[in-house]
Amino acid sequence: RKEVEQDPGPFNVPEGATVAFNCTYSNSASQSFFWYRQDCRKEPKLLMSVYSSGNEDGRFTAQLNRASQYISLLIRDSKLSDSATYLCVVKLRDNYGQNFVFGPGTRLSVLP
Amino acid sequence: EPEVTQTPSHQVTQMGQEVILRCVPISNHLYFYWYRQILGQKVEFLVSFYNNEISEKSEIFDDQFSVERPDGSNFTLKIRSTKLEDSAMYFCASEEGYEQYFGPGTRLTVT
Repeated sequence: RKEVEQDPGPFNVPEGATVAFNCTYSNSASQSFFWYRQDCRKEPKLLMSVYSSGNEDGRFTAQLNRASQYISLLIRDSKLSDSATYLCVVKLRDNYGQNFVFGPGTRLSVLP
Repeated sequence: EPEVTQTPSHQVTQMGQEVILRCVPISNHLYFYWYRQILGQKVEFLVSFYNNEISEKSEIFDDQFSVERPDGSNFTLKIRSTKLEDSAMYFCASEEGYEQYFGPGTRLTVT
């Protein structure tokens, strides 16, 4: 069973559209949750952390449902510059150490 | 703004050769990581490093891999005998609190 799953995509949307990304994780020991974006052949960059109460940063809203092991990201009023792959990431921590598990990503293309 | 740096940006090597990938994490960060990303695939965790020792490693991180923090600033990943399937982007990351920041990566091509 894959640890972190995301919508397969790609999503092609017009400028100004609202787009939602979904993510589920299998490990209930997951402690922290993040959305990263990755441009083609570049490093992942932290977009936002995801808090249990939900959080918003400008046009971006993230939600977490621990009971359902589900994370979402909503982008409102999408811009051309939002075109990228969006990565759902969970942090696992146990007695032995910690690591971050990446989902496969969902590619977004915002079209003029 | 502090950033993670990696060298070289691109490394080409022959199968069976040893390579060392270098990273300079953000100076006050405590956790360091190596990841790899094969072209078109997801980012895969290799190893985490804390307090000058390996904290956790994945199944990918077998005996041909090793990490070091030789001088308090650099953080290196060594691949002893490269295979064709080691061709990938290798990203270093450092973490403070619970957010991690990535370097620009080293593209390793094994021929």
